Formats: sequence, structure tokens, C-alpha cells
Amino acid sequence: AQSVTQLGSHVSVSEGALVLLRCNYSSSVPPYLFWYVQYPNQGLQLLLKYTTGATLVKGINGFEAEFKKSETSFHLTKPSAHMSDAAEYFCAVVRSGGYNKLIFGAGTRLAVHP
Amino acid sequence: EAGVTQFPSHSVIEKGQTVTLRCDPISGHDNLYWYRRVMGKEIKFLLHFVKESKQDESGMPNNRFLAERTGGTYSTLKVQPAELEDSGVYFCASSQALMNTEAFFGQGTRLTVV
Repeated sequence: AQSVTQLGSHVSVSEGALVLLRCNYSSSVPPYLFWYVQYPNQGLQLLLKYTTGATLVKGINGFEAEFKKSETSFHLTKPSAHMSDAAEYFCAVVRSGGYNKLIFGAGTRLAVHP
Repeated sequence: EAGVTQFPSHSVIEKGQTVTLRCDPISGHDNLYWYRRVMGKEIKFLLHFVKESKQDESGMPNNRFLAERTGGTYSTLKVQPAELEDSGVYFCASSQALMNTEAFFGQGTRLTVV
């Protein structure tokens, strides 16, 4: 069975600092991987996704993630945090070739302080 | 283009009452999904419609939950009778293709059962 683990339910960074949100997955077949973000009072928005091809994926708002098969990881990074990045971030996986049935991690709430 | 819309945004009901949540997907999206997030836990899949047919309802917690999608347009999720453990945020998502495409999420309905 597939599962997703997000290390750290809360992460706090200073404005301008590196953002690193960790995600590890378990899957018996090559997965498709996603990062979603939920800003306050809004729905989930797709940040980026990995399906096939280049393992370094760039998303919106300066975020990127790297698929590392050997580490079964898909960590999300951003070089310089902005106050507007404060939100909850969800890593998710779907079985490649399978229907869009997302399996989510528990989420990481990112706080950015001045 | 309108996104995925969910009604109501909040609902507070007493244990034993009935509540109906509604989701209007993006026009033309045949695939509609329901997910739920119980407080502090991961977002979990409930079910998946392709047009008006239930493709996968493996995540439905029990027979107190009934989902419908008449005519393949909007969907409703009824909880009858509601229990305390049903409290959480219910998300709806839709996608155009069956697989490998982005699922667009609504803002969610926050259900509180007291």
C-alpha cells in the first residue's frame, strides 16, 4: 500500500531563509508525486508535480522539488521564504497509471516570521 | 472559468441530524472526487465519480454516507445520521481526464458535529 510521510507538522523560518519541507513516500510501483498548498480560507492548489522525466521539478511561486528514487523522497524547497508563503503544504502520491486517487501526507504548516 | 465550488463553506449540526454537502465541479470535468480531512490528520480519499457513475468508493467510512452525482454534473454528499467523528473538512476535486492530470480542489466544507 502506498503512504506518504511528511516530517514536521510545523516548520518555522525567517523571511529570506531557505524553506525545506520533507516528504517521503512508499510505493510498490513508480509513483506520481505532488505538492499542494492551502492558503488560509482557500482550497488546495497544486504547487508542482512529478510524473516522468526530469527529476527536478519547478513549480509556482519559486518552489521546486526533487524526486529521489533511491531515497524515496520528494522534498520541497524554496531558496528564500516570503511572508506570503505561510500556508499548509501537502505532499501526495498517486500510483502511476492509476486513477487520480491521491494519497496525502498529514501536512506541514509553514510559518514565516520577519 | 469558475473553479470547483462547494456549499456550504461551514456547517454546524447536532449529532443525529442530517447534512448534505454540495460540490459543483469545473464545467466539462467528468471526474469528481470527495476527500475528507479529520482534524490534524491527513486528507483521505472518500470516493470518485466518472460522470454519474461511482468509479471507486473504497474510502467511504460507512453506510451513513451517501454520495450522488445526478446527471454527471454536481455532486452531493449526505451524512445521515451525523456522528461526532464525522467532523472535519470535506474537499471536492475535479479533473478532466481519468489519470495523470491535475485535480482542482474546492475550498472545502468545514463540518462540525456537536
